[in-house]
Amino acid sequence: DAMVIQNPRYQVTQFGKPVTLSCSQTLNHNVMYWYQQKSSQAPKLLFHYYDKDFNNEADTPDNFQSRRPNTSFCFLDIRSPGLGDTAMYLCATSRDKSYEQYFGPGTRLTVT
Amino acid sequence: GESVGLHLPTLSVQEGDNSIINCAYSNSASDYFIWYKQESGKGPQFIIDIRSNMDKRQGQRVTVLLNKTVKHLSLQIAATQPGDSAVYFCAETGNTGNQFYFGTGTSLTVIP
Repeated sequence: DAMVIQNPRYQVTQFGKPVTLSCSQTLNHNVMYWYQQKSSQAPKLLFHYYDKDFNNEADTPDNFQSRRPNTSFCFLDIRSPGLGDTAMYLCATSRDKSYEQYFGPGTRLTVT
Repeated sequence: GESVGLHLPTLSVQEGDNSIINCAYSNSASDYFIWYKQESGKGPQFIIDIRSNMDKRQGQRVTVLLNKTVKHLSLQIAATQPGDSAVYFCAETGNTGNQFYFGTGTSLTVIP
């Protein structure tokens, strides 16, 4: 049974056209994360929510925003995608701080 | 973000041999560490974790060793199998315990 679900699995968008990626979880975990992973690189943390508290990484571009309307859902909004934003976007959850993360399958985003 | 690095980007081992993957981390405040396995096109999969109050933890065919003095983490895989071929990442929690920062990754290839 899928515990962390990401939609869509594949997304193609045009340069500058806003795009939203979705993540949902059935684990009732407090913490939700968004990572960007480019080809042959490690996942890079963009931001996370601890419950409703949003925590942005210092080097995350302003172009990337996130929303968490409830415990189960979290969205990644890219306001004006550039070619360099082509990557796999991974959502993860964790029960609390310093606990195991559960990853979704990722959304592969291509910006043309 | 934090700096978590690996010594070897690639590793090839014969089927049945033991594998050792190393990782150096930079934040002495990190209190929790995870090893992940990532297969092509999939999200990272949890393998084993260790907290900073331990120096060794064993799972099924895997052992993680933590040396806080030199800020070093290793993953040992016993009797490596072709299904173990993947990229392996270590991750540390950083200052707050909520962020997870990934190392650069090691690509493990098991030769039948």
